[in-house]
Amino acid sequence: DAGVIQSPRHEVTEMGQEVTLRCKPISGHNSLFWYRQTMMRGLELLIYFNNNVPIDDSGMPEDRFSAKMPNASFSTLKIQPSEPRDSAVYFCASSLQRGGGDTQYFGPGTRLTVL
Amino acid sequence: AQSVTQLGSHVSVSEGALVLLRCNYSSSVPPYLFWYVQYPNQGLQLLLKYTSAATLVKGINGFEAEFKKSETSFHLTKPSAHMSDAAEYFCAVSGSGGSYIPTFGRGTSLIVHP
Repeated sequence: DAGVIQSPRHEVTEMGQEVTLRCKPISGHNSLFWYRQTMMRGLELLIYFNNNVPIDDSGMPEDRFSAKMPNASFSTLKIQPSEPRDSAVYFCASSLQRGGGDTQYFGPGTRLTVL
Repeated sequence: AQSVTQLGSHVSVSEGALVLLRCNYSSSVPPYLFWYVQYPNQGLQLLLKYTSAATLVKGINGFEAEFKKSETSFHLTKPSAHMSDAAEYFCAVSGSGGSYIPTFGRGTSLIVHP
């Protein structure tokens, strides 16, 4: 099993530019999560999907952030326009959610730097 | 509502010494509890989890944790630290039904001195 795949691994962009992060979950998993990790705020849940449907996006910081999951094998997290405070490591995780106690499998993360 | 408190953002031990990382939780439903480990420049990976079976849970790399309901704790231990254990450790709690999405603690950085 290839695990959760994220791309790119590193992204450096300038303030105001659009950034798109990509994630391929583990085949057969029905839930997908996007997290952001910073020193100041730790690990924050941004949004999660169940069966490709967004269930809770209350963690999305503002309207500049959007996420989609067009099919069971692909998801994107977009930031438009990007700002320096968006610099962080963004993780995608997937799980086979059956009601509790399910393991989340994390990707390697995308390190985003906004100049 | 559910939450996790990890006591100590950094824990420093000598190689060969006991490792103890503390985690206390609150949950309005019977909890599921997890410890994840994050090595530098990697994603989190499961170390062990409690899912209402045995209260003493054994995980990978010689780690174990004990669920103590009366103390609402799920502390992580390892008898003898190894240099390769240096990493960030996260405790997480989830519940059943609608609260099955895990809540993570702030993490504890384990430093191992030679």
